[in-house]
Amino acid sequence: QQQVKQSPQSLIVQKGGISIINCAYENTAFDYFPWYQQFPGKGPALLIAIRPDVSEKKEGRFTISFNKSAKQFSLHIMDSQPGDSATYFCAASMIKAAGNKLTFGGGTRVLVKP
Amino acid sequence: GAVVSQHPSWVICKSGTSVKIECRSLDFQATTMFWYRQFPKQSLMLMATSNEGSKATYEQGVEKDKFLINHASLTLSTLTVTSAHPEDSSFYICSARDWGRSLDEQYFGPGTRLTVT
Repeated sequence: QQQVKQSPQSLIVQKGGISIINCAYENTAFDYFPWYQQFPGKGPALLIAIRPDVSEKKEGRFTISFNKSAKQFSLHIMDSQPGDSATYFCAASMIKAAGNKLTFGGGTRVLVKP
Repeated sequence: GAVVSQHPSWVICKSGTSVKIECRSLDFQATTMFWYRQFPKQSLMLMATSNEGSKATYEQGVEKDKFLINHASLTLSTLTVTSAHPEDSSFYICSARDWGRSLDEQYFGPGTRLTVT
């Protein structure tokens, strides 16, 4: 059962443009929503994360928008740069659950063209 | 801070042999570590959760006798792939949680590429 659905699977954006990746979740008990960036052959690195008590969080060029009622959250990459070309994963977890496991979305491959 | 290392970064082994992968938290104590596998162009799939000093909890469909996990100390967890076969070839990634720093964040290692010939 895929509890976190991510779209699109791939994305091409021009340098300076905005990359938008969307995720939808089913389990209303999720209370932590991180985004990870992964380069080929490397482990994922945390970009930014949000909890459901806020609707938006911004860190530099990265912004998470969160819609609790719709059970959706998205990542916006402003002023996209070629160095942002990577695969991005959304995830969700229940902080107080035993094990506090992350459930990952399917990933989005972003290519930023110079 | 919050650095996780893995060793080796890549390994090639023959079918039928066993391979051990180490995951270390370098600057924090990790009471919980996680092991994932990732096939090309796919997402991370959780294999098991290990807590220091206790048996690992495996996800449904993961063979515990094939993927042996040991979390003997607060800074080291090992994954042993026993009697490896070509279908076990994958990218194995560990992560660790620092309960003293954050209740939610996981810190990921750089991954280990396993190729079974």
